[in-house]
Amino acid sequence: KNQVEQSPQSLIILEGKNCTLQCNYTVSPFSNLRWYKQDTGRGPVSLTIMTFSENTKSNGRYTATLDADTKQSSLHITASQLSDSASYICVVSANNFNKFYFGSGTKLNVKP
Amino acid sequence: NAGVTQTPKFRILKIGQSMTLQCTQDMNHNYMYWYRQDPGMGLKLIYYSVGAGITDKGEVPNGYNVSRSTTEDFPLRLELAAPSQTSVYFCASSEGGVSNQPQHFGDGTRLSIL
Repeated sequence: KNQVEQSPQSLIILEGKNCTLQCNYTVSPFSNLRWYKQDTGRGPVSLTIMTFSENTKSNGRYTATLDADTKQSSLHITASQLSDSASYICVVSANNFNKFYFGSGTKLNVKP
Repeated sequence: NAGVTQTPKFRILKIGQSMTLQCTQDMNHNYMYWYRQDPGMGLKLIYYSVGAGITDKGEVPNGYNVSRSTTEDFPLRLELAAPSQTSVYFCASSEGGVSNQPQHFGDGTRLSIL
């Protein structure tokens, strides 16, 4: 069964600290893996998209990694800011037409 | 930059009423999607379209209908609203399907059925 599991469900960190969010998937055949940021009351916004051959991709203070062998991805946030408080969603797409599999997200709360 | 625009932002319906959720994009994207997001759950695909005049069912289509008469617009119709349809609805568009192009999401319509 194609699934995307994210951990932890929620996380609280202090401003300025780093954190890592995890995503494990069983989607096959794999096409690409995306990380989205969703602010409260807003729609998701794309952070990174990685294909099978990419094992790391950065977007400012966000760095995503992908291990296609173990089917794991992580999103590392460096020097967190209050504006990083949001839900982070991992999405894996399969080569079947228009198949996107969404994780349930990690809710990050950055406190001053 | 408007992107994907959804209206209304909030709505309360009574059981059995009908309504249309509007979605418009100004990026000339062929692919458009409707999702619902329930608390603590991942987004679930309701319907999608790969171009004007072409629509197809997603994972949870029952109780909904769509049409795509233009590239820009992709309205979602709820007939005979039920409490189970209480959710946040997101419309998205993209240049390609599962290709390496991001989906662009609207800010959602929060719908309560009472």
